[in-house]
Amino acid sequence: DAGITQSPRHKVTETGTPVTLRCHQTENHRYMYWYRQDPGHGLRLIHYSYGVKDTDKGEVSDGYSVSRSKTEDFLLTLESATSSQTSVYFCAILPAGLAGLTDTQYFGPGTRLTVL
Amino acid sequence: GQQVMQIPQYQHVQEGEDFTTYCNSSTTLSNIQWYKQRPGGHPVFLIQLVKSGEVKKQKRLTFQFGEAKKNSSLHITATQTTDVGTYFCAGSQGNLIFGKGTKLSVKP
Repeated sequence: DAGITQSPRHKVTETGTPVTLRCHQTENHRYMYWYRQDPGHGLRLIHYSYGVKDTDKGEVSDGYSVSRSKTEDFLLTLESATSSQTSVYFCAILPAGLAGLTDTQYFGPGTRLTVL
Repeated sequence: GQQVMQIPQYQHVQEGEDFTTYCNSSTTLSNIQWYKQRPGGHPVFLIQLVKSGEVKKQKRLTFQFGEAKKNSSLHITATQTTDVGTYFCAGSQGNLIFGKGTKLSVKP
């Protein structure tokens, strides 16, 4: 599974609270991605990173921020969680060495977030 | 913006029957990828198609990329219960744009 872990794996929180999800990889991949998955919507890109401190917005970035201070960690923050952010969140990486040749991504196990 | 449409949304088959899911893009793609997600799991990469008209096979799975590089299909011959899951196509134009997936259920 390309050495990707996500934490926490499950979280229940209340509306208005801040939440941070962590994606950790052990293989020095440059590109990392955050997606959310909802029934009827498939996978939608929230933010991505192409290096330390280099990030960009995806399709559904409103209400989310990210940070990447180290190669191995990509953090997704919901500053003030809302019920519409209840979802399953997946982190993904683009294997080092393949960037520019392919954009095949490998996914972490996911975090199930419930906002009450 | 770029859209990737995938049909059908659901497919229920009897074990041994064939299954096909179709993917269509509003724009020409540089490549298309297919992923499988088992219930409760994460998407797992299956294959990438790059060339116009390309056909690739993996055992009972056949993947096709259209001549115009705007459509693709995944065909499973003689489905088995282990094929259960959601199959996603993802089109590439920079970042990946995922279709909404086809959820396959197989009745033994």
